[in-house]
Amino acid sequence: DQQVKQNSPSLSVQEGRISILNCDYTNSMFDYFLWYKKYPAEGPTFLISISSIKDKNEDGRFTVFLNKSAKHLSLHIVPSQPGDSAVYFCAATNTGKLIFGQGTTLQVKP
Amino acid sequence: DAGVTQSPTHLIKTRGQHVTLRCSPISGHKSVSWYQQVLGQGPQFIFQYYEKEERGRGNFPDRFSARQFPNYSSELNVNALLLGDSALYLCASTPNGLAFLTDTQYFGPGTRLTVL
Repeated sequence: DQQVKQNSPSLSVQEGRISILNCDYTNSMFDYFLWYKKYPAEGPTFLISISSIKDKNEDGRFTVFLNKSAKHLSLHIVPSQPGDSAVYFCAATNTGKLIFGQGTTLQVKP
Repeated sequence: DAGVTQSPTHLIKTRGQHVTLRCSPISGHKSVSWYQQVLGQGPQFIFQYYEKEERGRGNFPDRFSARQFPNYSSELNVNALLLGDSALYLCASTPNGLAFLTDTQYFGPGTRLTVL
């Protein structure tokens, strides 16, 4: 069973616009959520995280929103840059073991 | 500072063979986790080791085993390889055990295993 789902395999946005990546989860025990970015031939790189006691966390151009009642989180990138083109994974945990979604490939066009 | 390193980068094996993958964590990190990433999927947790002891195991068969050495480096072993074991194997390190949820897991570049 897929406890963490990213239903959009790909997303294409114009440089300078907002990118919104979505993630849904089913396990209400998850209490910590993360986003990782992955370039080809590299391991995932940590981007931003959020605890279940918060509904928003910002770090520069990246903001993560958490809606616990809907079991939904999203990553906003503003403004999007061509260097942001990568695969983005959301992950969730309550034990330290990360449960990842399938990933969304973001393409930012110049 | 060196990040997480993994070796080899690529590996080709045939069905039934055995493989050993290696990981060196970031200096000072005592915990290593292993993940399998099949093409088109997100990474799946295999094992976590902290202070040389297994602290977590994912839903993988007994053909998968691992160990952690006194210098905190780790090996992942897979016996009796199947075609379905073809994947990117990722190692992640953290300073402490996984109970510290907010410790960031830093990933290495992975080992690409192809089973023919």
